Amino acid sequence: QVQLQESGPGLVKPSETLALTCAVSGYSISRGYSWGWVRQPPGKGLEWIGSIDHSGPTYYNPSLRSRVTMSLDTSKNQFSLKVTSVTAADTAVYYCARRLATTAGDYWGQGTLVTVSS
Amino acid sequence: QSALTQPPSASGSPGQSVTISCTGTSNDIGGYNYVSWYQQHPGKAPKLMIYEVTKRPSGVPDRFSGSKSGNTASLTVSGLQAEDEADYYCSSYAVSNNLGVFGTGTTVSVL
Repeated sequence: QVQLQESGPGLVKPSETLALTCAVSGYSISRGYSWGWVRQPPGKGLEWIGSIDHSGPTYYNPSLRSRVTMSLDTSKNQFSLKVTSVTAADTAVYYCARRLATTAGDYWGQGTLVTVSS
Repeated sequence: QSALTQPPSASGSPGQSVTISCTGTSNDIGGYNYVSWYQQHPGKAPKLMIYEVTKRPSGVPDRFSGSKSGNTASLTVSGLQAEDEADYYCSSYAVSNNLGVFGTGTTVSVL
């Protein structure tokens, strides 16, 4: 059974960097698929932040591209997200997900709320 | 890339059917059979219900079905049950960002 679990600070100060990790169990991230991040501001809809293929290529949402970096750590079977220069607009529940080639997310983490506030 | 358009709400009585539409463009829904649908209960992660327009992941009841015509995709929930009350989001591959775009979301109520 594939399981994903997000971890990271729940509170980040404005202008600082948001950093999250998604630990994967039940499947080796280097074997295949791509691995993505989705966020959902409180009371609002879903937004793809980006994804990273098992072989390394990344795809970022154009609206966030200048501030987002994703990476894989195959030794720990986890992948990471960094968002720089955060503002209150980056306050959201952040989900990690495994992505099929057709972009559907078939396994998801439970989500972690990140609040941007001083 | 703009969000796909869904009606804000839909409802039906137990046992009835409800259909949710999702409208995009030829650069997303209309150009690719890569439409997926998610169910999200309050405080929970999205759950994949339909992928590649019509396919159901293992464990998803066959009461859930998907279709597509032109730039519009649809999700039909037949035989509505109380546990189907949730938010539903469509999603499609989008050539503009090679990543995908979500719909605006529809809240389904079981009366």
